[in-house]
Amino acid sequence: GNSVTQMEGPVTLSEEAFLTINCTYTATGYPSLFWYVQYPGEGLQLLLKATKADDKGSNKGFEATYRKETTSFHLEKGSVQVSDSAVYFCALKLQGAQKLVFGQGTRLTINP
Amino acid sequence: GAGVSQSPRYKVAKRGQDVALRCDPISGHVSLFWYQQALGQGPEFLTYFQNEAQLDKSGLPSDRFFAERPEGSVSTLKIQRTQQEDSAVYLCASSFGTEGEQYFGPGTRLTVT
Repeated sequence: GNSVTQMEGPVTLSEEAFLTINCTYTATGYPSLFWYVQYPGEGLQLLLKATKADDKGSNKGFEATYRKETTSFHLEKGSVQVSDSAVYFCALKLQGAQKLVFGQGTRLTINP
Repeated sequence: GAGVSQSPRYKVAKRGQDVALRCDPISGHVSLFWYQQALGQGPEFLTYFQNEAQLDKSGLPSDRFFAERPEGSVSTLKIQRTQQEDSAVYLCASSFGTEGEQYFGPGTRLTVT
């Protein structure tokens, strides 16, 4: 079936550290890939997306590249801030489908 | 403008009670989705509406779960005879078209005791 696997959390880093959150997927066809973020007390928000292989999504200093050969969409940021503390979800959407399929989420805590 | 709103934000139900959860999507959004998020997990799809038509209900876990969107805007998710395993956060999302970004509401946290 179609699924998303994220690295286990929680992840704790110091401010200005480099961040990677791994995400791999299993899907039929060519899905679109997404990263959503859930800040404390808020709803899920779209952070970035990529719709085809080798596309790079970017937003707020975060980047992720759609790698078809490794079925991955790892999230990276060069220098994290305390305000990046949140839960991050990787998700996919199949071509022609409407629903999102989410990974289990990765809780990120950034210490000053 | 206003985002997706959900009510109530918190609901405690005794096992066996019926509950109704409401979602007000962003005005003009055609598509509406319900997801269930268990503690420590990612959201899981329940059902999808395009206007008033329920086009996909493949994620509803049992016939105790029922959703409607009679006028193509507000939607209600009803759970009959609640069970402890129904305890979760229920998320509603809407999007402008059929391929647009999904905007999520804050969720309703249901606790069944």
